[in-house]
Amino acid sequence: SQTIHQWPATLVQPVGSPLSLECTVEGTSNPNLYWYRQAAGRGLQLLFYSVGIGQISSEVPQNLSASRPQDRQFILSSKKLLLSDSGFYLCAWSGGIRDNEQFFGPGTRLTVL
Amino acid sequence: AQSVSQHNHHVILSEAASLELGCNYSYGGTVNLFWYVQYPGQHLQLLLKYFSGDPLVKGIKGFEAEFIKSKFSFNLRKPSVQWSDTAEYFCAVDSSASKIIFGSGTRLSIRP
Repeated sequence: SQTIHQWPATLVQPVGSPLSLECTVEGTSNPNLYWYRQAAGRGLQLLFYSVGIGQISSEVPQNLSASRPQDRQFILSSKKLLLSDSGFYLCAWSGGIRDNEQFFGPGTRLTVL
Repeated sequence: AQSVSQHNHHVILSEAASLELGCNYSYGGTVNLFWYVQYPGQHLQLLLKYFSGDPLVKGIKGFEAEFIKSKFSFNLRKPSVQWSDTAEYFCAVDSSASKIIFGSGTRLSIRP
């Protein structure tokens, strides 16, 4: 069966520090991968999605970037964190076919101080 | 651009009350529609989905949703809610195979 992992689960970082959040998927190949930010009252904001290795689409201009160095690995990064980057980050995968049900990871709570 | 609107931000009901959560989307073409649920402390999970066929879709835990194309709506319903239905509910629309757009969510609180 497929599983999706995210780490770390929680992170507290100072303003201006770098960021690297990792997401890995097991039990499937060539998934579509997604990064979302979930904010109270604002739902899920799609940040990035990827349909293959090295292919990244950015949905919202911001201080973050994403990379997909391997088929089942998706990384969210920043060179210098801002206070506004605080939030709950969710990774998800889908089969990439018309039945595009998404499966979500446990999320990472990021606090920037 | 594609968008999803959930107009109810917070709904409070008593147990056994009937539930209807609104969802409207803007996209003129063929869409796939989803409702996801996030119970307190748990992952987001799929409640139900519509691709084609019968516009009345049955999901888990007694939920159903009706796709009304003329109204661009996909409202979620349950005839009698339980305390365990307390959660946040997200409507989502997919017009391509690559990405899904989510609504802002509706928080449902059930009084025991």
